[in-house]
Amino acid sequence: DTGVSQDPRHKITKRGQNVTFRCDPISEHNRLYWYRQTLGQGPEFLTYFQNEAQLEKSRLLSDRFSAERPKGSFSTLEIQRTEQGDSAMYLCASSLFGQLSSGNTIYFGEGSWLTVV
Amino acid sequence: GQQLNQSPQSMFIQEGEDVSMNCTSSSIFNTWLWYKQDPGEGPVLLIALYKAGELTSNGRLTAQFGITRKDSFLNISASIPSDVGIYFCAGSNSGGSNYKLTFGKGTLLTVNP
Repeated sequence: DTGVSQDPRHKITKRGQNVTFRCDPISEHNRLYWYRQTLGQGPEFLTYFQNEAQLEKSRLLSDRFSAERPKGSFSTLEIQRTEQGDSAMYLCASSLFGQLSSGNTIYFGEGSWLTVV
Repeated sequence: GQQLNQSPQSMFIQEGEDVSMNCTSSSIFNTWLWYKQDPGEGPVLLIALYKAGELTSNGRLTAQFGITRKDSFLNISASIPSDVGIYFCAGSNSGGSNYKLTFGKGTLLTVNP
């Protein structure tokens, strides 16, 4: 399967613990995105990378959240000192920027469900 | 932040019927995308639209980019049970980069066999 891969798919953690999610984008894609989705809502943009550079962070991304893409390939999203309000699905997506507009289409992974108890 | 108004919120239809859903925005978008999401899964891209007025089909699905750039619709013809799911519209106006999508709240489609 050459789609966007996320791990783990499900995570249950106690409030105050740290969690980390990993995303492997489509191999040739240079852009990688993180979105968050809560029940009954559409996904909301958190941050994105072009290659290894993090180019924008949403105000939704508090100081407890940090994302990295050290080699311009896979990415990690870490949440420190988790709170119950962090419970959501964290979606990773990727795209190939630089070609015609049709190449900028964003493809999503299957998501990582986080439940903070 | 920006909001997309997606309607209807939910639809209950009989197998074989056609379906229409739409999204409107107070802001202009230069890209419209339509995704389908099954429970517990990520959104799957159905159709991408890049030009105002563009009409694009993907099998039984047809979507159009409104000429005002503030709306888009998705039609599904001859619905089947596997069409069940949540359909999201998403727009982008991040210059030519299209990196930040704004999503609607989704349309929940139920198809009765």
